[in-house]
Amino acid sequence: GNSVTQMEGPVTLSEEAFLTINCTYTATGYPSLFWYVQYPGEGLQLLLKATKADDKGSNKGFEATYRKETTSFHLEKGSVQVSDSAVYFCALSFTGNQFYFGTGTSLTVIP
Amino acid sequence: KAGVTQTPRYLIKTRGQQVTLSCSPISGHRSVSWYQQTPGQGLQFLFEYFSETQRNKGNFPGRFSGRQFSNSRSEMNVSTLELGDSALYLCASKRGADRGTGELFFGEGSRLTVL
Repeated sequence: GNSVTQMEGPVTLSEEAFLTINCTYTATGYPSLFWYVQYPGEGLQLLLKATKADDKGSNKGFEATYRKETTSFHLEKGSVQVSDSAVYFCALSFTGNQFYFGTGTSLTVIP
Repeated sequence: KAGVTQTPRYLIKTRGQQVTLSCSPISGHRSVSWYQQTPGQGLQFLFEYFSETQRNKGNFPGRFSGRQFSNSRSEMNVSTLELGDSALYLCASKRGADRGTGELFFGEGSRLTVL
């Protein structure tokens, strides 16, 4: 079947630290991959995406590369800010609108 | 433009009751999908509608149902509520019928508590 596994949280970092949130997937084909972010009290919003192998998605200083050989889509940011505190979800999708989400990783950035 | 609007934002029900949640997608979006978010299970796909037709359905019991109207607004219904149905129910809309490569726009959710 299709599934997404994310690293367990919560993650606490100091401002300007390097961030990595691991995401691996199991899929019966070649899905599109996504990172969504959920700020406190809000719905999810798309952070970045990649639609084929070796694509790199990037937005707001975050990056993730679609690695087919390792079935991974790890999220990275070189220097986090307090405003990056949120819950991050990795997801995959093939057909229509059925997305498979990971369980989410809570990030807290302290000044 | 207005985002995805979900009503009600919060509600409390007791076991055995039923509940109806409403979702108004972004204007021009014809696809609406629903997700259940719980701390233990994360986001789980319920169902997806496009042009009033259910295209996909997740692995939930028949107590969970939905529909979409001609104006793309959608409702989901949960009958015979159980304690385990307590969750945040998220609605997401999307413009067209492309193969999952587009962006989902989420509402803020309806938080259901079952006592």
